[in-house]
Amino acid sequence: GAVVSQHPSRVICKSGTSVKIECRSLDFQATTMFWYRQFPKQSLMLMATSNEGSKATYEQGVEKDKFLINHASLTLSTLTVTSAHPEDSSFYICSALGRAGDTQYFGPGTRLTVL
Amino acid sequence: ILNVEQSPQSLHVQEGDSTNFTCSFPSSNFYALHWYRWETAKSPEALFVMTLNGDEKKKGRISATLNTKEGYSYLYIKGSQPEDSATYLCAFNNAGNMLTFGGGTRLMVKP
Repeated sequence: GAVVSQHPSRVICKSGTSVKIECRSLDFQATTMFWYRQFPKQSLMLMATSNEGSKATYEQGVEKDKFLINHASLTLSTLTVTSAHPEDSSFYICSALGRAGDTQYFGPGTRLTVL
Repeated sequence: ILNVEQSPQSLHVQEGDSTNFTCSFPSSNFYALHWYRWETAKSPEALFVMTLNGDEKKKGRISATLNTKEGYSYLYIKGSQPEDSATYLCAFNNAGNMLTFGGGTRLMVKP
């Protein structure tokens, strides 16, 4: 149980395009999901907390207009990187808060490369 | 910014060796400490959620201890196997559900 999928696993796009990443909890409902980013040789850094049916909460330094988060259902949150630039190239990974509320279950991540 | 440190950054051991690594975190405002195991191209797998000072948890050959007063947790692997090769992450939770991750310890077990 507590499986989280993420799609796509890898995407390469041109500068200026928008990219949407999906995060799904497959066998449980998640009112809260999280989006993280990891640059090379660095730790996972929380970008935003996504709550079903309400606006996401963004961490300091993360532009909400650039990283659009939608959590429209209890099993799906999406992250859209708008007008992507090479500096947005990174590893993006989501997690969903489990039923007990004490553990985050992670997807496998998405490697974004912006040319 | 919360400081969560893991050491060593990487570790090579022989199959059968026992090993351990460290996670240090702020000793104030502690709520929980999480350990994850992350194999390449897979999702990080939750190993332990530790909340009580002095707590010790075990899952097969892997165990973890927690000292909240001095701000550290140890992860132990007994009799390492090649399939234990992965990056082990710890994450500090000081309130709510926000996790601050360490940089991870990359373990490689040679057959």
